[in-house]
Order: sequence, then C-alpha cells, then structure tokens
Amino acid sequence: DQQVKQNSPSLSVQEGRISILNCDYTNSMFDYFLWYKKYPAEGPTFLISISSIKDKNEDGRFTVFLNKSAKHLSLHIVPSQPGDSAVYFCAASASGTYKYIFGTGTRLKVLA
Amino acid sequence: DTEVTQTPKHLVMGMTNKKSLKCEQHMGHRAMYWYKQKAKKPPELMFVYSYEKLSINESVPSRFSPECPNSSLLNLHLHALQPEDSALYLCASSQAHGTSEEYYGYTFGSGTRLTVV
Repeated sequence: DQQVKQNSPSLSVQEGRISILNCDYTNSMFDYFLWYKKYPAEGPTFLISISSIKDKNEDGRFTVFLNKSAKHLSLHIVPSQPGDSAVYFCAASASGTYKYIFGTGTRLKVLA
Repeated sequence: DTEVTQTPKHLVMGMTNKKSLKCEQHMGHRAMYWYKQKAKKPPELMFVYSYEKLSINESVPSRFSPECPNSSLLNLHLHALQPEDSALYLCASSQAHGTSEEYYGYTFGSGTRLTVV
C-alpha cells in the first residue's frame, strides 16, 4: 500500500513558467513533509519542508502548500529554470518517528 | 562541512563475497540512516541509528548488517548477497529529534551503486 503518492510520473514546463508538483498521502498521522530533488547518479537534495501546523512555506522560488483535509501537498516552482530539471520526491513522516515514506517521484523537465 | 560522504561510489561483488559500505558525516547529526533505492523507485528505509543505537530495522535480511562505531560513522556490512540486492544504497543523516517544529530534513550522500553478480 503506497502511503505517499505522486500520480504524475513526469511533467514538462517552459522556462519562466510555474511548475506545480503534486503529492497525496493516506496516513492521517503524517505531520511533517519534505520535498527532495534528485539528479542522476546523485543522492536526493533537500529542498523545502512543511509541518502540519502550517499550510504554506516559502523559500525563494519554491513554495510548498499543504491541504490537510485533502491530504494533499504541492510544490510550486516560480519561475522554472532549466537547472530545475530533475526527479522530485515528496516524503512524509509522523511525529516521534525517524521514518520518512517517499513518493515515487515526478520527473520535471524545464524546456529552454 | 555540510556533506555526507559515502564510499565506495561503485561496488561489484560476487554472491560469496563480504564487503562493507561506509558513510561519514561531520555535521554533528545524531541520527543516521541507510536507504535502498532500486531503479525508478523511491528510496526505501532499511535502518535508523539514533545516538549510535539501532532504533529501526525495517525487517531487512540478516545478510545486511549495519554498524555505527561512533556518531560520525555508519557502516553497512554485506555478506552472501543476491543479484536482486543490486541497487543504489543511500546513507543520510539528520539532527536528532527535538521539540522544534522546524527542519527535520535529511542530508543524503551520493550513494553507493552496488551490483551483485
């Protein structure tokens, strides 16, 4: 049973436009969420996090939105740049555990 | 130093070999992790060490044996692996749990690509 789902395996966006990556989860105990970016042959790189007491967190071009009632989070990248082309994973954790569950990833391609 | 360093980057081993993967961090993180990632799949947690003690073992077969000699080092000893164990093995570290709502993020190493022949 996949507790964290990224239903879009791939996404293409023009440079300068907004990229929106989506993530759904099923476990209501999850209260901390992370987004990671992964380039080929490298480990995942932390991008941005959000806890369940917030519904939005912003860091430069990256904004994460959390809708707890819908069990849905999204990552917005504005403006998108070619260097953003990578696989993006969301991950979720429940308080008091060290355990993060990763989604299956979305491959973002930003076209110049 | 804000990195997690994993060695070797690539490893090919036979099914009767014994080898070890190494992971090192000098960020003062007190939690360290081993993940396994197969192609086109998300990382899957194997082990968690908290303050050098094993706190989570995700029912990993005994042919994988973790070791945390000190707060900066994490090893994964491999013995009698199977070809299906071929994968990217990722080490990660994070600050120990506190009461802060903020940053629980991990820092990942680049991984060891393991091929079992």
